[in-house]
Amino acid sequence: QVTLRESGPALLKPTQTLTLTCTFSGFSLSTSDMCVTWVRQPPGKALEWLALIDWDGETYFSTSLKTRLTISRDTSRNQVVLTMANMNLDDTGTYFCARMRWTDGAFMDVWGGGTTVTVSS
Amino acid sequence: QSVLTQTPSTSGTPGQRVTLTCSGRTSNIGSNFVSWYQQLPGTAPKLLIYRNNQRPSGIPARFSGSKSGTSASLAISGLRSDDEGDYYCAVWDDSLNGPVFGGGTKVTVL
Repeated sequence: QVTLRESGPALLKPTQTLTLTCTFSGFSLSTSDMCVTWVRQPPGKALEWLALIDWDGETYFSTSLKTRLTISRDTSRNQVVLTMANMNLDDTGTYFCARMRWTDGAFMDVWGGGTTVTVSS
Repeated sequence: QSVLTQTPSTSGTPGQRVTLTCSGRTSNIGSNFVSWYQQLPGTAPKLLIYRNNQRPSGIPARFSGSKSGTSASLAISGLRSDDEGDYYCAVWDDSLNGPVFGGGTKVTVL
């Protein structure tokens, strides 16, 4: 059974850096076709893709946020870490990690439950 | 504003068939496979359709997907009250080098 779980701070101040960890089980990020991706959702708004890391360690970032994002993996601990620098009020929302399957169209087949992040002074 | 365009809302009565659309460009829908996600209130998104028209195991045949040119559709037949929620299309965009989502369609069961 594939599961993913997000963890990180619930509250941040503007300009701080967000660090989120996705801990997964049931698959190996070293296996071809496997990726882990991050998606966020501001309150009442649509899903927005942020970043992904693939089985080779290649990384991809949202064009609009790439200067603020990093993504890394620890395959031995089955974790993927996303950092987002210089947080502002507009970054408030729910952050999801998901397993992404590269073949057949880069779809997200299993999602974590999400973690809520609030940016407030 | 989302790269993919979805009608913001649609509604239907129980048992009815509704069709949701997702409009994109050559660089995304025109070149790659589309997936669809269901997000029920207060929950994480759930994969409904991948590779334009394939259902993961456990997804009922009431949900079907199709693609033509730079547009894709999700049909829900036999609409049920527990289908109420938001539905998102997604696809890889070759120009942006990443996946993009539609703005979502809110489905209401009257």
